Amino acid sequence: QKEVEQDPGPLSVPEGAIVSLNCTYSNSAFQYFMWYRQYSRKGPELLMYTYSSGNKEDGRFTAQVDKSSKYISLFIRDSQPSDSATYLCAMSAQAGGYQKVTFGTGTKLQVIP
Amino acid sequence: SAVISQKPSRDICQRGTSLTIQCQVDSQVTMMFWYRQQPGQSLTLIATANQGSEATYESGFVIDKFPISRPNLTFSTLTVSNMSPEDSSIYLCSVAEVRSKYEQYFGPGTRLTVT
Repeated sequence: QKEVEQDPGPLSVPEGAIVSLNCTYSNSAFQYFMWYRQYSRKGPELLMYTYSSGNKEDGRFTAQVDKSSKYISLFIRDSQPSDSATYLCAMSAQAGGYQKVTFGTGTKLQVIP
Repeated sequence: SAVISQKPSRDICQRGTSLTIQCQVDSQVTMMFWYRQQPGQSLTLIATANQGSEATYESGFVIDKFPISRPNLTFSTLTVSNMSPEDSSIYLCSVAEVRSKYEQYFGPGTRLTVT
């Protein structure tokens, strides 16, 4: 069993839709949860970061962590064609960008105008 | 945020040859990482490269296959040796500072195809 499971998609939605991206994990030591966005032919860039359980909102993006269920989500409101990318969930047991991070396989999202 | 460039951006190589990938950062950074991203698979850490010390390899990756150099705080190379088609992948370098709370910055990647 992989430590982090993520549906690879692709997920295709109309512009303006609410998008829900999810990951499950098995390692209860994970406390720091991240979402990276990766455009085609580019490296991943950090989108959201949360610690432990709870919600975090940043503009149209909301990250949600449920540690009891080992389940994390990223919601995108009013999705735009520019949101079309692959979204990678990532998590680590310790804080710090230099700590080992475990990534999901990524979900490819396409927002259709 | 750090700006990272990689060379080459892509290459097609023959089985049995070696390719060296360069990673250049626009500022001095403590930690550099090399990842592999294969289709349908998660981003996998190959090794951590710190200046002045030997690279630390993850399970399943060995120095003979993936030798790494880190001659200074802005530059690193990863060599993929004796390549086989299974090495076809995107190779990414990333950087982080010890003071960085949580972020790694990634380069654009090198797309390698082995025939």
